[in-house]
Amino acid sequence: SAVISQKPSRDICQRGTSLTIQCQVDSQVTMMFWYRQQPGQSLTLIATANQGSEATYESGFVIDKFPISRPNLTFSTLTVSNMSPEDSSIYLCSTREPLAYEQYFGPGTRLTVT
Amino acid sequence: AQKVTQAQTEISVVEKEDVTLDCVYETRDTTYYLFWYKQPPSGELVFLIRRNSFDEQNEISGRYSWNFQKSTSSFNFTITASQVVDSAVYFCALSEAQTGANNLFFGTGTRLTVIP
Repeated sequence: SAVISQKPSRDICQRGTSLTIQCQVDSQVTMMFWYRQQPGQSLTLIATANQGSEATYESGFVIDKFPISRPNLTFSTLTVSNMSPEDSSIYLCSTREPLAYEQYFGPGTRLTVT
Repeated sequence: AQKVTQAQTEISVVEKEDVTLDCVYETRDTTYYLFWYKQPPSGELVFLIRRNSFDEQNEISGRYSWNFQKSTSSFNFTITASQVVDSAVYFCALSEAQTGANNLFFGTGTRLTVIP
């Protein structure tokens, strides 16, 4: 499976600011996804990052709040905009190959909003 | 609608005991995929296994085994002779072919603590 890295690994941010999280994969992958894991909770899919087009967002998540870029097949960014304490979570990117259904996850970015 | 239920929130066992983690799922899709992931204290999510809906064969990998039963919509995970390194949160997940199998629906997880 591809090796996935994320930056930053953690951050503490102030309310009202924005943070961009980077996801880098060591090989070209067709599919990339962004998930959120709120404290003590399970994971929820935010969006599918599509290369060369707009991301596909799940219900409850909007582009203005979570803009996503995917400029190529190895890189994606997720921005958490106008943050509030409720955005404090771990954000994870994942990848999947079309003929395989399992997803592999990056190490996550632990975000705390004060 | 799809749903994954892990009724066991926390389990504690003494080292070398066997332990079974339960997973019950709901889906209307006829083709779906089931997964188990491990999240150790370090936080990364580690893929353990995938099972396709059309393959009910059980699987064993070392101390790990999985029991998939469509009749009861269950996909249980057993660790034999548990070790301290097995301490983690374990998530069961489901994806559906009708949505392109992109969205992994996770259960709420079971926190396993193995006591030395």
